[in-house]
Amino acid sequence: GAVVSQHPSWVICKSGTSVKIECRSLDFQATTMFWYRQFPKQSLMLMATSNEGSKATYEQGVEKDKFLINHASLTLSTLTVTSAHPEDSSFYICSAARQASGANVLTFGAGSRLTVL
Amino acid sequence: GQSLEQPSEVTAVEGAIVQINCTYQTSGFYGLSWYQQHDGGAPTFLSYNALDGLEETGRFSSFLSRSDSYGYLLLQELQMKDSASYFCAVRDRTGANNLFFGTGTRLTVIP
Repeated sequence: GAVVSQHPSWVICKSGTSVKIECRSLDFQATTMFWYRQFPKQSLMLMATSNEGSKATYEQGVEKDKFLINHASLTLSTLTVTSAHPEDSSFYICSAARQASGANVLTFGAGSRLTVL
Repeated sequence: GQSLEQPSEVTAVEGAIVQINCTYQTSGFYGLSWYQQHDGGAPTFLSYNALDGLEETGRFSSFLSRSDSYGYLLLQELQMKDSASYFCAVRDRTGANNLFFGTGTRLTVIP
């Protein structure tokens, strides 16, 4: 159980265009999902917390107008990178929390590798 | 804010034991977790410590000392497939599920 599906797994786009990434919890409901960004050989940086039915909570330094998050249902959150630029090229990973052995365990999607030309 | 420090790289021989350390500074602390990530893949949960002491899960064990703001992941009977990046992560707010990750340790297992 506890599977998170992310799509697309990789995308290449032109500078100035927008890209949408979907994150779905397949076998459980997730009122909260989390979006992380990871540059090559670096750690996972939390970008924002996606809340079902309400506005996302962004971490300091993350532009909410550039990284639009929508959590319209209990199983789907989307991240839209607007007006993408080469510096936005990165690995974007979503996750959802579940309880396991008393811990708040994050189940991650397989990630979406974005390349902006 | 949060700060979690780990060694950047560790190399160990197949069959050996390796320890990956994590020191943290957080405004609040509600548990230390460990995740494994293979290249290009998703992080997967390994272990969790809410209280001081050792938690054992098969070949992997994790230790926490809250007074020292320190924990470690212990991998025994290393296998080639254990070559991956390992991250410690903390939850710094009660009632919240988001995690903040450490700098990551790249483990390379050699024959």
